[in-house]
Amino acid sequence: DSGVTQTPKHLITATGQRVTLRCSPRSGDLSVYWYQQSLDQGLQFLIQYYNGEERAKGNILERFSAQQFPDLHSELNLSSLELGDSALYFCASSVAGSQETQYFGPGTRLLVL
Amino acid sequence: QQQVKQSPQSLIVQKGGISIINCAYENTAFDYFPWYQQFPGKGPALLIAIRPDVSEKKEGRFTISFNKSAKQFSLHIMDSQPGDSATYFCAANEYGNKLVFGAGTILRVKS
Repeated sequence: DSGVTQTPKHLITATGQRVTLRCSPRSGDLSVYWYQQSLDQGLQFLIQYYNGEERAKGNILERFSAQQFPDLHSELNLSSLELGDSALYFCASSVAGSQETQYFGPGTRLLVL
Repeated sequence: QQQVKQSPQSLIVQKGGISIINCAYENTAFDYFPWYQQFPGKGPALLIAIRPDVSEKKEGRFTISFNKSAKQFSLHIMDSQPGDSATYFCAANEYGNKLVFGAGTILRVKS
């Protein structure tokens, strides 16, 4: 158990809908990262937050957004969902944001029908 | 653009054998190279990591070999066990932020 929690574990929704994925980092970790894992794209970095502020952005679609709250938990919002958004979404956390080990949560499996 | 190239895509090893997975990168700004192990339905778990100023790091049965000039690094699993059967990802840390992952290697250890 990495200490990173994610909810929900599974999510089934329809095209065009909006969902919110939640992540709680390990105790003491200030940095949260979101990754998408799909069969064709592998593990792709989406976005990083550090102590409430956006730190780095990767291959995140404009339909996706994230935020980190004062209690350091993070939410990833996915809107106008498409079939291709079906994937595993992982949250990871680290103490800081530089050369630190990232610990991954169990993931949220999203299925868009 | 695949910044970290990983091979092989899959690997079958006999119990007790050595599993070897290779990765290569181009971006010299990468400064931290972890390996992750992932079981079906689980998140990636850190196995072992190395920084570019070190040529080799060993933790138990797992060893990373790092060749900075060739921009290559590899994972060796000694005395491979059926419980090691999983997907292994190499990764590289860019500018202290995001991890760039290889495509993954599915390892099967036959008993």
